[in-house]
Amino acid sequence: TQLLEQSPQFLSIQEGENLTVYCNSSSVFSSLQWYRQEPGEGPVLLVTVVTGGEVKKLKRLTFQFGDARKDSSLHITAAQPGDTGLYLCAGASESNYQLIWGAGTKLIIKP
Amino acid sequence: DVKVTQSSRYLVKRTGEKVFLECVQDMDHENMFWYRQDPGLGLRLIYFSYDVKMKEKGDIPEGYSVSREKKERFSLILESASTNQTSMYLCASSPPTGIFTEAFFGQGTRLTVV
Repeated sequence: TQLLEQSPQFLSIQEGENLTVYCNSSSVFSSLQWYRQEPGEGPVLLVTVVTGGEVKKLKRLTFQFGDARKDSSLHITAAQPGDTGLYLCAGASESNYQLIWGAGTKLIIKP
Repeated sequence: DVKVTQSSRYLVKRTGEKVFLECVQDMDHENMFWYRQDPGLGLRLIYFSYDVKMKEKGDIPEGYSVSREKKERFSLILESASTNQTSMYLCASSPPTGIFTEAFFGQGTRLTVV
């Protein structure tokens, strides 16, 4: 069974600080997706990374796929209160592309 | 824009009731999914369907069934609701599965079984 461990589970920081969220697995994924979910809504896709070592930037968010395609990180620079939400990673299985979900990181940015 | 609509945002049902959760998508997607989301456990797949009248069990199908009579509609049925089925239920749809497949989610149904 493929597992995707996401850490930390909860993070509360002050506006302007930097943070990193991690997704780790012993399995190789064909791609890794990051979603953001706001209270009362469903998750919305932020980015998909496909190539080992790939780095994608979305304004202050930087996403990286590990060289071996087993792990990924999300780094937020100068966090803003609008970044508050639940961040979920999801790996696409190499065999059937089904998504394996991490447990999520609840992020709170305090003004 | 893809729209996935779930019939209810909040539901309160009694133990033993049969519960229907409806989901409709408007992008002609082949795949549809039902997940439940509980704090600290992430999204757990209950059932998915890759075509009309087709269904596959996910990781936690016990106590649930599904129906897909039309491509745009995927229903989740709780045969006899129990308190441990109190949860947030999320429906999603996607194009045929591949490396770049994005899942589009509905707004969720928060179900409370009392």
